[in-house]
Amino acid sequence: NAGVTQTPKFQVLKTGQSMTLQCAQDMNHEYMSWYRQDPGMGLRLIHYSVGAGITDQGEVPNGYNVSRSTTEDFPLRLLSAAPSQTSVYFCASSRTSTGELFFGEGSRLTVL
Amino acid sequence: GENVEQHPSTLSVQEGDSAVIKCTYSDSASNYFPWYKQELGKRPQLIIDIRSNVGEKKDQRIAVTLNKTAKHFSLHITETQPEDSAVYFCAADLYSSASKIIFGSGTRLSIRP
Repeated sequence: NAGVTQTPKFQVLKTGQSMTLQCAQDMNHEYMSWYRQDPGMGLRLIHYSVGAGITDQGEVPNGYNVSRSTTEDFPLRLLSAAPSQTSVYFCASSRTSTGELFFGEGSRLTVL
Repeated sequence: GENVEQHPSTLSVQEGDSAVIKCTYSDSASNYFPWYKQELGKRPQLIIDIRSNVGEKKDQRIAVTLNKTAKHFSLHITETQPEDSAVYFCAADLYSSASKIIFGSGTRLSIRP
């Protein structure tokens, strides 16, 4: 099993550009989530999904969209990037919403 | 609002001594309390977790205690070693429309030789 795969690992954007961070898992996990990690702020939940077709907002959802059309994939879309979205993004999945989270390697995004 | 608070933000201990990290949570309905370790440049990984029907759980040098009445839980690392140096995050499940995992702000633990 590859586990949780995130792409790209690094990305530089200009303010106003859009992009999608891809996340895929091959463990048949129902629960998937996106976090952003900033220095001194810990891991903050952006959006999460408890199954295909179901998504919900986390702590910091503004500026981000998600969809969950399949169990395996949970892409995160930035519609109009802002410098405040410069961060490291982690995708994570687990068998249930109260089980061990398996994290991807992270995606470092810089918005100029 | 719903949150998880973690203290201290940094902790330095002598190798061989014990380290304690404390967290509080706001949602009395929370039932799941995991702890994650993140080494420099790596992804977070689960080291231990506890559920609300248990007051304490141990795994070798690591233990977690839970006080549901006071809504706080703690991580205890005994006989610390250099490889324990990392950032540690507590977390709790919070339920609104569905259960979700919210993290504390992290503790950077340094082990002095």
